[in-house]
Amino acid sequence: AQRVTQPEKLLSVFKGAPVELKCNYSYSGSPELFWYVQYSRQRLQLLLRHISRESIKGFTADLNKGETSFHLKKPFAQEEDSAMYYCAFKNQGGKLIFGQGTELSVKP
Amino acid sequence: GAVVSQHPSRVICKSGTSVKIECRSLDFQATTMFWYRQFPKQSLMLMATSNEGSKATYEQGVEKDKFLINHASLTLSTLTVTSAHPEDSSFYICSARGSLDTEAFFGQGTRLTVV
Repeated sequence: AQRVTQPEKLLSVFKGAPVELKCNYSYSGSPELFWYVQYSRQRLQLLLRHISRESIKGFTADLNKGETSFHLKKPFAQEEDSAMYYCAFKNQGGKLIFGQGTELSVKP
Repeated sequence: GAVVSQHPSRVICKSGTSVKIECRSLDFQATTMFWYRQFPKQSLMLMATSNEGSKATYEQGVEKDKFLINHASLTLSTLTVTSAHPEDSSFYICSARGSLDTEAFFGQGTRLTVV
């Protein structure tokens, strides 16, 4: 089955604390993985993809094929990071399969 | 990044009527467009995939006669919710991409309320 699991519905941290949003995937092929972010009242936008191996807004994510995970991390959370975060993979047919989403709330 | 525009952003309709939602790629040609449905603070559920000039491919459980999708040009796809009922009330989002290897860009979504 093709599935993305984000176990935490809500993650609440204080400003300056480290953040890790978990994502596990189930896919028999070789997936292309993404993290999307949706700020309040804004459209969904791409945050980062695993093939780029880049850091965007201080966030990084490493693909761990052994654990089938693609957790999103940031060492020091900021209030403006508060948003909904969606992990997704693109299957061979080119469709994006999304996880349930994690709401990140960064408190001052 | 590229811009995908949805119209309207918000619509209220009476039960039994049909509603059309437009999705336009403003500065690129979208060979493929996707339609999603999103419930509050939940995942995006893929409804259908449409390629320009061909019939849409619907996901399992999505009624193709209820959710009519047309992708007549490389910059426009429409979703028509026919004979809408209150349970069709939701947030509908489209996304568009130029080719299989390019990024998909998302519209701002359409909030449909059926009364």
